[in-house]
Amino acid sequence: AQSVTQPDIHITVSEGASLELRCNYSYGATPYLFWYVQSPGQGLQLLLKYFSGDTLVQGIKGFEAEFKRSQSSFNLRKPSVHWSDAAEYFCAVGPYSGGGADGLTFGKGTHLIIQP
Amino acid sequence: EAEVAQSPRYKITEKSQAVAFWCDPISGHATLYWYRQILGQGPELLVQFQDESVVDDSQLPKDRFSAERLKGVDSTLKIQPAELGDSAMYLCASSLAFGLAGAMNTGELFFGEGSRLTVL
Repeated sequence: AQSVTQPDIHITVSEGASLELRCNYSYGATPYLFWYVQSPGQGLQLLLKYFSGDTLVQGIKGFEAEFKRSQSSFNLRKPSVHWSDAAEYFCAVGPYSGGGADGLTFGKGTHLIIQP
Repeated sequence: EAEVAQSPRYKITEKSQAVAFWCDPISGHATLYWYRQILGQGPELLVQFQDESVVDDSQLPKDRFSAERLKGVDSTLKIQPAELGDSAMYLCASSLAFGLAGAMNTGELFFGEGSRLTVL
């Protein structure tokens, strides 16, 4: 079965500082990997995704992520955070092949706090 | 821009009552998902539809939850009777059918804004 681990429940970063959110996954084949962001009381918005090819992927809002197969990781980065980046961030892996379905499996999320 | 529509946005009910949530996916999306997100947790898949057929409902508590997508378009998720532990955000998502050939099918899930359920 596939799984996703986001080791950091909360991260606090000063505005303008760099950011890295960690994600480790477990999957039996080449994974499809996603990062979503969720503002309070809202649905999830896709930041970026990795399917194949270049292991460094660019997303919206200045985010990027790097797929490292040897480390089973897909960490999210941003060189300079803005106060509006404060939100919950979810890493997800798919497709699920065990039962023939393809719903994504999500991590528990990392809550990002931006200090002024 | 096309969106996934969900209603109601908020629902407060007493335990043992029945509740229902509605979802209208993006037009042309054959796959529809219902996820449950408990406060402070990531979303967990409850049920997945491909057109009108259930593909995966292994995590759906079938003694009290039911889901249908009769015409393969919009969907309803029902809880009867509601329990205190059902308090959560219920998220609907849709996607193009996975495995469908074509550059537009990236497997991305598009989420609605969710329905927040509080059971008292």
